[in-house]
Amino acid sequence: ETGVTQSPTHLIKTRGQQVTLRCSSQSGHNTVSWYQQALGQGPQFIFQYYREEENGRGNFPPRFSGLQFPNYSSELNVNALELDDSALYLCASSFLGGQGALYGYTFGSGTRLTVV
Amino acid sequence: GNSVTQMEGPVTLSEEAFLTINCTYTATGYPSLFWYVQYPGEGLQLLLKATKADDKGSNKGFEATYRKETTSFHLEKGSVQVSDSAVYFCALKNPGAGSYQLTFGKGTKLSVIP
Repeated sequence: ETGVTQSPTHLIKTRGQQVTLRCSSQSGHNTVSWYQQALGQGPQFIFQYYREEENGRGNFPPRFSGLQFPNYSSELNVNALELDDSALYLCASSFLGGQGALYGYTFGSGTRLTVV
Repeated sequence: GNSVTQMEGPVTLSEEAFLTINCTYTATGYPSLFWYVQYPGEGLQLLLKATKADDKGSNKGFEATYRKETTSFHLEKGSVQVSDSAVYFCALKNPGAGSYQLTFGKGTKLSVIP
């Protein structure tokens, strides 16, 4: 079974630009979550997607948005990039079953975004 | 809200030394607790977990016990190896439907020297 894959692995953008990061979920998983990990910090939850809709969000502004596709892959979009958006962005896939139980949280290796 | 506090790093140990990384948490109800490990240049890997009070999670020689009375989940290993060098994250998740996010501590970097 394939794991969670993210692309690109590294990216450099200029302040004010827009960026799209991609994530392919693990086979059999139906949800995707995104996290931001600043240097020296723990990951912070951005949002989660299930059945192509956002169904949970952390404390991030609306310029952070996402998509989930019918094959359960996902994109994270960040508009109007700021220097503080420089971080490792992690994607995690899981299976959301009956009664809202979440199984098998699996992380990808991340995309390192640098905003200059 | 939820929060996780880990001991500050970095921690440097000699090979075969005993390891303890402290973790305490604040949460409503009875969260599930996790330890994740992050090797250089990689994502997070689940190391172990516990879902209720007094549960002991274990994996690869690492152990942690869910202590509700002290709201703690300290990570221990009896004899560390150079290959254990990594950053360790304690995390929690509230149980039940509609609760999806993991709340992480800031991480503790462990370096094991031969």
